[in-house]
Amino acid sequence: GAGVSQTPSNKVTEKGKYVELRCDPISGHTALYWYRQSLGQGPEFLIYFQGTGAADDSGLPNDRFFAVRPEGSVSTLKIQRTERGDSAVYLCASSLEGALNTGELFFGEGSRLTVL
Amino acid sequence: GDSVTQMEGPVTLSEEAFLTINCTYTATGYPSLFWYVQYPGEGLQLLLKATKADDKGSNKGFEATYRKETTSFHLEKGSVQVSDSAVYFCALGSGGYNKLIFGAGTRLAVHP
Repeated sequence: GAGVSQTPSNKVTEKGKYVELRCDPISGHTALYWYRQSLGQGPEFLIYFQGTGAADDSGLPNDRFFAVRPEGSVSTLKIQRTERGDSAVYLCASSLEGALNTGELFFGEGSRLTVL
Repeated sequence: GDSVTQMEGPVTLSEEAFLTINCTYTATGYPSLFWYVQYPGEGLQLLLKATKADDKGSNKGFEATYRKETTSFHLEKGSVQVSDSAVYFCALGSGGYNKLIFGAGTRLAVHP
């Protein structure tokens, strides 16, 4: 497809379980971002990839959260030992490398995670 | 740290009414400012932007002016339509690589 694709769209899991969320960015976009949006809040930055490397992971809340982008395209956000407070919509966005500072991120529709 | 504050919603208007959604920011330096919109069932998308003081961003009849003296970037539209019903997010750009800091969002509902 032409846009950013995220799977699954919905995930319900139990406290303590492991979860993976996938993001397929727009073809040719070298920059990829993960954000988290809690109910009634704006998106909150988690991590930024330029190519395969995490250029800024300062938004990851703790070491239960980890993200990879091994081939510089698809990215996976991994959450270990999930907690109820992890429930949120996880948003992925991508942009052209040349679009630095333009603010034009292309967002997916998000993966809604519910931890029971 | 940097932050964005925008007016709480929901904002409910009749078609053709004038819209203002207030946004103020706190930042070190001179950030770029943005409005993103999220239509029902869709991902966030950039609506307009301004990269320096006194710049006016505009798109689809919406406008916002970067006011450094009041640290504001209020969104306006002269005549809203039902199709403008969405959630609007004000954001600032930080860190030099599209690291965006978002406000909490304002839901707009426009009735015929």
